[in-house]
Amino acid sequence: DAKTTQPPSMDCAEGRAANLPCNHSTISGNEYVYWYRQIHSQGPQYIIHGLKNNETNEMASLIITEDRKSSTLILPHATLRDTAVYYCIVRPSLAGNTGKLIFGQGTTLQVKP
Amino acid sequence: DSGVTQTPKHLITATGQRVTLRCSPRSGDLSVYWYQQSLDQGLQFLIQYYNGEERAKGNILERFSAQQFPDLHSELNLSSLELGDSALYFCASTNTGRANTGELFFGEGSRLTVL
Repeated sequence: DAKTTQPPSMDCAEGRAANLPCNHSTISGNEYVYWYRQIHSQGPQYIIHGLKNNETNEMASLIITEDRKSSTLILPHATLRDTAVYYCIVRPSLAGNTGKLIFGQGTTLQVKP
Repeated sequence: DSGVTQTPKHLITATGQRVTLRCSPRSGDLSVYWYQQSLDQGLQFLIQYYNGEERAKGNILERFSAQQFPDLHSELNLSSLELGDSALYFCASTNTGRANTGELFFGEGSRLTVL
């Protein structure tokens, strides 16, 4: 599975957009980009995933560059409850694969009042 | 609530002892994954079971073993415990029938403290 690089920490003001970058320059054509977050030792929570098109759901937006070597997770209006460790993970599709996720160190996002 | 249930939530034991952690996956999920999270190692993949059979193995010590039963619940057995085994142990499940979603649902974890 391709390796990802994320900044160790970021701050964001409450109510502002939080933009979390991820570098995955060795991503393969069949690998998806997944984002999970972990709030204070709770179980990790799925946020969003994408292959090459930008994606949006009720939680966030995912912007993937055209060459797929990097992506940005956007939380449009960050709240204090979004303070968490955010993990960017690259993984092949489920078909024919185990589906396991390999977590890196992630980015600790601190949302401040 | 992810639908994945882990017991016990907290466990304190002594070095050399053996413990069993239990995981009930979401209804209908055939795959179960175990992860260990310690302060200095982050989230480490241990092992995966699919419909009762071992599917993938990660950084799981020989002192640890797991199994998945016919009713799909899973148990992680940790033996000859050492201080360094103190960690949060997470279980996750997924329905691999959902093509390409890749969403794993995690339980709230079992916090093991070895004294």
